[in-house]
Amino acid sequence: EPEVTQTPSHQVTQMGQEVILRCVPISNHLYFYWYRQILGQKVEFLVSFYNNEISEKSEIFDDQFSVERPDGSNFTLKIRSTKLEDSAMYFCASSGDRGLFGYTFGSGTRLTVV
Amino acid sequence: GENVEQHPSTLSVQEGDSAVIKCTYSDSASNYFPWYKQELGKRPQLIIDIRSNVGEKKDQRIAVTLNKTAKHFSLHITETQPEDSAVYFCAASTAAGNKLTFGGGTRVLVKP
Repeated sequence: EPEVTQTPSHQVTQMGQEVILRCVPISNHLYFYWYRQILGQKVEFLVSFYNNEISEKSEIFDDQFSVERPDGSNFTLKIRSTKLEDSAMYFCASSGDRGLFGYTFGSGTRLTVV
Repeated sequence: GENVEQHPSTLSVQEGDSAVIKCTYSDSASNYFPWYKQELGKRPQLIIDIRSNVGEKKDQRIAVTLNKTAKHFSLHITETQPEDSAVYFCAASTAAGNKLTFGGGTRVLVKP
């Protein structure tokens, strides 16, 4: 079964540093997403990406965040200057052709900001 | 925007009993309702989903019901087993390619 791959699985960074979280979505999927889950809380939407541009973003996704699909396979989330409150599990997801649902989540990157 | 409420937040059942989790949503345009199971430190795994043109869907011990008029949907797990212990999340979406809005989660503990 196709998988969404995320790297690294765990990232520890100093407050104020930039981090890049990487994802390889399922190859024939068209929609890509980043979600965040603070420990013990619900999964929250950050951003969706389609046709090489952001299609929707949440209030959480402020100017410190950016996404990119640099080479047609990778999908990255950059946090420019990390804050303590950015510590969370970040999940990448992808979904299929237009008109079809079926989100597949990656295994997540646990980001710890110290 | 969409708001999804989920109850209860914790649920403890005896092995073999049934478990029911309920969710309500606010956006009448929502038409896709998946349920995810999440084990500690793992990704959310889709266990069942339902679309708005269907009132009920069943897959072995798991069933989901949808009441579009009342804007609520429920997950039913029958004959619970210890391996059903996890956090369960409901979610809603308005269209393919659109975001999922998650409920707050239900921690289910199945006692042997």
